[in-house]
Amino acid sequence: SQKIEQNSEALNIQEGKTATLTCNYTNYSPAYLQWYRQDPGRGPVFLLLIRENEKEKRKERLKVTFDTTLKQSLFHITASQPADSATYLCALEGNTGKLIFGQGTTLQVKP
Amino acid sequence: ETGVTQTPRHLVMGMTNKKSLKCEQHLGHNAMYWYKQSAKKPLELMFVYNFKEQTENNSVPSRFSPECPNSSHLFLHLHTLQPEDSALYLCASSQDLGGQGNQPQHFGDGTRLSIL
Repeated sequence: SQKIEQNSEALNIQEGKTATLTCNYTNYSPAYLQWYRQDPGRGPVFLLLIRENEKEKRKERLKVTFDTTLKQSLFHITASQPADSATYLCALEGNTGKLIFGQGTTLQVKP
Repeated sequence: ETGVTQTPRHLVMGMTNKKSLKCEQHLGHNAMYWYKQSAKKPLELMFVYNFKEQTENNSVPSRFSPECPNSSHLFLHLHTLQPEDSALYLCASSQDLGGQGNQPQHFGDGTRLSIL
């Protein structure tokens, strides 16, 4: 069956370090993959979209990679700050064209 | 006012009540969505509308009834809900439907629904 996996355990890192979050998928061949940020009590906010023919995409301190062979996307936040603490969701286009979300990974950046 | 606005932000209702959730988008988008988000679970797509027409009903029980009078407004009418329906209900919009993976979605902050 089709599955998206994000690490359900919270990721705790020190301020200034690089945070790396993982999104693995099985039984999909998505043409696009998206990352969102969600703060407690708020709706998700779109961050980045990457296409299958793009290996890497950057936006300020954010970097996303998309490896269609490994069926994995990595989301990096460099020089992390306490304000980066949030839950990060990956989403991809499923086989029916719908956007399918992972359950998210919570990032905690400690000062 | 910009973005996607949802009201009310919180709603507590009994199982026999009837209530409605409202969503309004000021982005000029043509597609609108309802999602359910339960604790520790991924977002579940409920309904999709494109140019006011429903294009997706993701096997949602009939106690949830959507309405889209125009491309800017979306309602979710609730009737005879169950305790397991307690969740965060999120509305989203995108420029158009297309392949949804190629369309960033813009979300409201949701309605936190509690069923007594």
